Amino acid sequence: DAGVIQSPRHEVTEMGQEVTLRCKPISGHNSLFWYRQTMMRGLELLIYFNNNVPIDDSGMPEDRFSAKMPNASFSTLKIQPSEPRDSAVYFCASSFVASSYEQYFGPGTRLTVT
Amino acid sequence: GDSVTQMEGPVTLSEEAFLTINCTYTATGYPSLFWYVQYPGEGLQLLLKATKADDKGSNKGFEATYRKETTSFHLEKGSVQVSDSAVYFCALILTGGGNKLTFGTGTQLKVEL
Repeated sequence: DAGVIQSPRHEVTEMGQEVTLRCKPISGHNSLFWYRQTMMRGLELLIYFNNNVPIDDSGMPEDRFSAKMPNASFSTLKIQPSEPRDSAVYFCASSFVASSYEQYFGPGTRLTVT
Repeated sequence: GDSVTQMEGPVTLSEEAFLTINCTYTATGYPSLFWYVQYPGEGLQLLLKATKADDKGSNKGFEATYRKETTSFHLEKGSVQVSDSAVYFCALILTGGGNKLTFGTGTQLKVEL
């Protein structure tokens, strides 16, 4: 299996621009998670989906952030407009519910907003 | 609410030294417990897990025992290597409470020759 795939791996953009991060979960997994990691705040859960339905988005920082999962094999995290404080590494993870809840993480997208 | 507390890092050890990273938790139900490891520039990987009290998880020479009486899940390794240098995260999931992981803040381990 290829594991969780994220793109792009690195993104540099200017403040005010729209940013879209992409994730392909492991085939057969039915839960998907978006995390943000920074030195100051550590690892934060932004949102997670079960069977393509958003279950908990309480970690989404503000309305500038949105996430979608149109099908079982694809999810996006969008930031519009982006701000310098959004600079972080964003991880996507997937799991199969009822299988010990182990989450498999992607390699992350390093976002820099200037 | 549910939470995980880890010892602060960085922890710096010489190669072949004994490692302990402390982890304690607070949970309203019956959690499963995990240790994840993050190598530089990579995502987190599951290192080991334990799903009930007194279970011992083990992998790659690392061990942790689920201690319900002390609400702890300390990570140990008898002899660390330079390649073990990474950030280690303790985490929990409540059984029957959905599949949302609660992570600790992470402990950075540096192993020197």
